[in-house]
Formats: sequence, structure tokens, C-alpha cells
Amino acid sequence: EAGVTQFPSHSVIEKGQTVTLRCDPISGHDNLYWYRRVMGKEIKFLLHFVKESKQDESGMPNNRFLAERTGGTYSTLKVQPAELEDSGVYFCASSQVASGTTGELFFGEGSRLTVL
Amino acid sequence: EDQVTQSPEALRLQEGESSSLNCSYTVSGLRGLFWYRQDPGKGPEFLFTLYSAGEEKEKERLKATLTKKESFLHITAPKPEDSATYLCAVQAGSSASKIIFGSGTRLSIRP
Repeated sequence: EAGVTQFPSHSVIEKGQTVTLRCDPISGHDNLYWYRRVMGKEIKFLLHFVKESKQDESGMPNNRFLAERTGGTYSTLKVQPAELEDSGVYFCASSQVASGTTGELFFGEGSRLTVL
Repeated sequence: EDQVTQSPEALRLQEGESSSLNCSYTVSGLRGLFWYRQDPGKGPEFLFTLYSAGEEKEKERLKATLTKKESFLHITAPKPEDSATYLCAVQAGSSASKIIFGSGTRLSIRP
């Protein structure tokens, strides 16, 4: 069974540019999460999809971040325009049941974003 | 504010030398406490969920325990392949979505 896949694995962009990160969850997983780790900090929650609906987007830092999950399959996270403080590793995770039930999330390897 | 604090930040052990990692938490209405393992360049990998004080879970050389204020991850006779960052996380009653992670303990096992 394929795990959670993320693309690209690493992206280097200039401040002010746009980047789109993609996540393909494990097949059949309705719950999809985005988390990120910025330099030296803990992994922090960004948002949670149940199928194509946003269940909780309380962790999204500002309106430069836009997440979508059209059709309830893969998800994209767009940063526009990117700022220096957006640099970090963006993790996607998926689960069959919501994380509050078992805590068992399946994480991808992450997309490292470097904003220069 | 919900918070997770892990100690120590880093721990170096000799192969076979048992030890414990600590996770203290402050959360309103604990739904669950989770332990994950993360290898360099990889995403976190789920290990355990603990729901209530007194609960224990075991997996190979790892044993997780939970009290009302903290959790311990006990490592018995570790091997070099146990080297990784161990992350503690909690889910508060106020959110069915958000998991709050600690900063992790980097464990290194020398052969």
C-alpha cells in the first residue's frame, strides 16, 4: 500500500513568489491534515480536511496560505506571496478516522520550503 | 494555553543502557497523548496512544506510561536502530482536529 506522498520534496523560491505544495493521501483516507515545522520550532497544525471540506483551519497563519482538496482526494497548499518566515518543512498526514479518535496519523516525508 | 514540554532535548546512550524520556503536558480536557518516532528526512511515525492516567502501552523495547501531568517513554536495552527523534503530542478536548506536538528528544544509541 502506498503511503502519503508529497511533492516537491524541496522547493527554493524568492520572496514574493508563489509555491504550491501537493499531497496525495493514502487511498481511502477521508481525513487529511497539513502541519509545518519552521526553523527550531515544534511541528504545528495548519488545517484539517474531511473529504473535500475544511473541518478546522485555525492553524493557518494568514491569508497568504490557501489549501484546497477538490474531489476529496489530493490536496494542495499554496503560499502566495511567500515571505522569509514561511521557510520550513510542510508535512501532510492522513487517517481513516479523525485524529482525536486514535491519534494515528500517517505522515508524508514533507516538503521543505526555502524562501530567499 | 495547551502545551507540551519534552526533556531532555538530546540523549546519548550506550547500546543496552536503558533510560526514559519525559513529556509533561498542560491541556484542557485531554483526549489522548501520542508518541511518534521521526527519523532524519522522514515524517513522524506513530507509536502509541494513551488515553487515561495509569495506562501503559508496549512495543518491542519501548514502553509508554501516562499520569495526569506527564508521560514517560521507557527504552529498555536500546539498539543503534532505536536512534531517532521521539515526539510527544496531545489532543485537547477543544479540538477534534489539532494535535499539539512537543519539540522532541533526539536519542542516539552508540554501538
